[in-house]
Amino acid sequence: EPEVTQTPSHQVTQMGQEVILRCVPISNHLYFYWYRQILGQKVEFLVSFYNNEISEKSEIFDDQFSVERPDGSNFTLKIRSTKLEDSAMYFCASSVSANVLTFGAGSRLTVL
Amino acid sequence: TQLLEQSPQFLSIQEGENLTVYCNSSSVFSSLQWYRQEPGEGPVLLVTVVTGGEVKKLKRLTFQFGDARKDSSLHITAAQPGDTGLYLCAGAHAGGTSYGKLTFGQGTILTVHP
Repeated sequence: EPEVTQTPSHQVTQMGQEVILRCVPISNHLYFYWYRQILGQKVEFLVSFYNNEISEKSEIFDDQFSVERPDGSNFTLKIRSTKLEDSAMYFCASSVSANVLTFGAGSRLTVL
Repeated sequence: TQLLEQSPQFLSIQEGENLTVYCNSSSVFSSLQWYRQEPGEGPVLLVTVVTGGEVKKLKRLTFQFGDARKDSSLHITAAQPGDTGLYLCAGAHAGGTSYGKLTFGQGTILTVHP
């Protein structure tokens, strides 16, 4: 069964460092998303991406965050200067139509 | 801000019992989805309900979307230890360009004892 692949599975970084989380969505999917889940809290929407541009972003997705689809297969989330509160599980998701999402296994980010 | 309140947060039952998990909101959603999440993995979609009053069945799981599309329930009949896990509801925002912007409930941790 097709799946969304995320790397790395776990990244530990120092506060202030840049982090790039990578995702390979399902190949025929057109919509791409990032969500995050802080430990013990709800899964939260960060951003949606369609037709090579951001469709919508939440208030969490400030200037420190950016997304890119550098080629036909990868979808990345960059955090420019990480803060302690960025520590979370980050989930990539994709869909062939809006609102029916397939999630990846997540990338755990720990900021020290 | 659209909120989705999920209850109960924890549920511990014996094998063979029935249970119901609820998701409630004051907002209307275009669709409501139920996911199951295992430790260390992402949410896995179980079902999507779209029409008010819709009922969908997946083996022993029955999902219902409220008539007003503001609430939903998941009912499990004759629960088995294999049903143990975290269940999440998520509402898709109605209208506009909110592609894939889901609002999640806080989840229900279900434990089924043999």
